[in-house]
Amino acid sequence: KQEVTQIPAALSVPEGENLVLNCSFTDSAIYNLQWFRQDPGKGLTSLLLIQSSQREQTSGRLNASLDKSSGRSTLYIAASQPGDSATYLCAVRQAETSGSRLTFGEGTQLTVNP
Amino acid sequence: EAGVAQSPRYKIIEKRQSVAFWCNPISGHATLYWYQQILGQGPKLLIQFQNNGVVDDSQLPKDRFSAERLKGVDSTLKIQPAKLEDSAVYLCASRSPCGGLEEQYFGPGTRLTVT
Repeated sequence: KQEVTQIPAALSVPEGENLVLNCSFTDSAIYNLQWFRQDPGKGLTSLLLIQSSQREQTSGRLNASLDKSSGRSTLYIAASQPGDSATYLCAVRQAETSGSRLTFGEGTQLTVNP
Repeated sequence: EAGVAQSPRYKIIEKRQSVAFWCNPISGHATLYWYQQILGQGPKLLIQFQNNGVVDDSQLPKDRFSAERLKGVDSTLKIQPAKLEDSAVYLCASRSPCGGLEEQYFGPGTRLTVT
């Protein structure tokens, strides 16, 4: 059974700081890994998706890396802003799973202080 | 394009009562998902529909939870009877048949409180 863990559970940083969020998964046989953002009272917004054959993906100030063999991914946020405050969720999709079931981690709650 | 719609946004019920949630996916999206997100945890898939058929309901507590998507468009999720541990946000998501596997769009969720 796939288990996804995210560290830290919560993080508070001053504006402008670069930061790294960590995600680990127990079963390395994944199809892809996805990072989401969740704002209070709202649904999930997809940030980045990394296919199992890829090492990293970048979008603006966000960079996600994947080390499939060690079961790890990181989300790097450069020059953080107060608007980045949200919960960040990591999710993996198994290669053998029909459809597109996602297994989520518990999330990292990020607060960026002005 | 309009997003995934869910109602109600909030619901408070007493244990042993029944409750139903409604989801209207993005127009044309064949795949619909219901997730349960308990406070402090990540979402957990309850059930996945492809059109009006169930693809995956392995994590649905079938003794009290049921879901349907009769016409392959909107869907309802029901809990009967509710327990305290059902307090959570229930998220609906949909996916286009033409999109990649990653293109799940989430609704705002229904926050259920069972007292």
